[in-house]
Amino acid sequence: QQQVKQSPQSLIVQKGGISIINCAYENTAFDYFPWYQQFPGKGPALLIAIRPDVSEKKEGRFTISFNKSAKQFSLHIMDSQPGDSATYFCAARKGSAGNTPLVFGKGTRLSVIA
Amino acid sequence: DAGVTQSPTHLIKTRGQQVTLRCSPISGHKSVSWYQQVLGQGPQFIFQYYEKEERGRGNFPDRFSARQFPNYSSELNVNALLLGDSALYLCASRWGGGANTEAFFGQGTRLTVV
Repeated sequence: QQQVKQSPQSLIVQKGGISIINCAYENTAFDYFPWYQQFPGKGPALLIAIRPDVSEKKEGRFTISFNKSAKQFSLHIMDSQPGDSATYFCAARKGSAGNTPLVFGKGTRLSVIA
Repeated sequence: DAGVTQSPTHLIKTRGQQVTLRCSPISGHKSVSWYQQVLGQGPQFIFQYYEKEERGRGNFPDRFSARQFPNYSSELNVNALLLGDSALYLCASRWGGGANTEAFFGQGTRLTVV
């Protein structure tokens, strides 16, 4: 059972365009939704995260949109650059003290071409 | 400040052997989690330790074990290695074990089982 479903699997965007990656979740107990960026040979790095009490969060060129009723959230990368080419993972975690691991989507490989 | 450090970075083992992977969390972080990332997939949760106690375990066989030391560093042990254990093993550290703390990943240990 895949608790967090991510799409698309791969994405090609022109430089300066908008990259959009979508995730859907099943477990309504999730209350923390981060996005991670991973370059080849590196560990995932936290990009931006959101909690369900807000519908949108923006940090620089990166925006998370959150739809609690639809149980969906998405990452928008504005003015995409070749340096943004990486694999992006959405994740979710239940809000409780102690032993709550991150549940990851399968990832989206983004290629930004000039 | 140093980030999460993992050693070794690469490792090749033979089927049936045992392996120990090491992780040093960010200074001041008391929680360490281990994840397995198979090529082309998102990380899968293996263990979480907080204050030297196991706080969570993912769906992995008993061949996988871990521990956390008084200085909060951690080891992941895998016995009787199988070809399917080949993966990137990631360590993540958090300040606390609760819900409101970010997880920071190391660069991982690439394990190849031949």
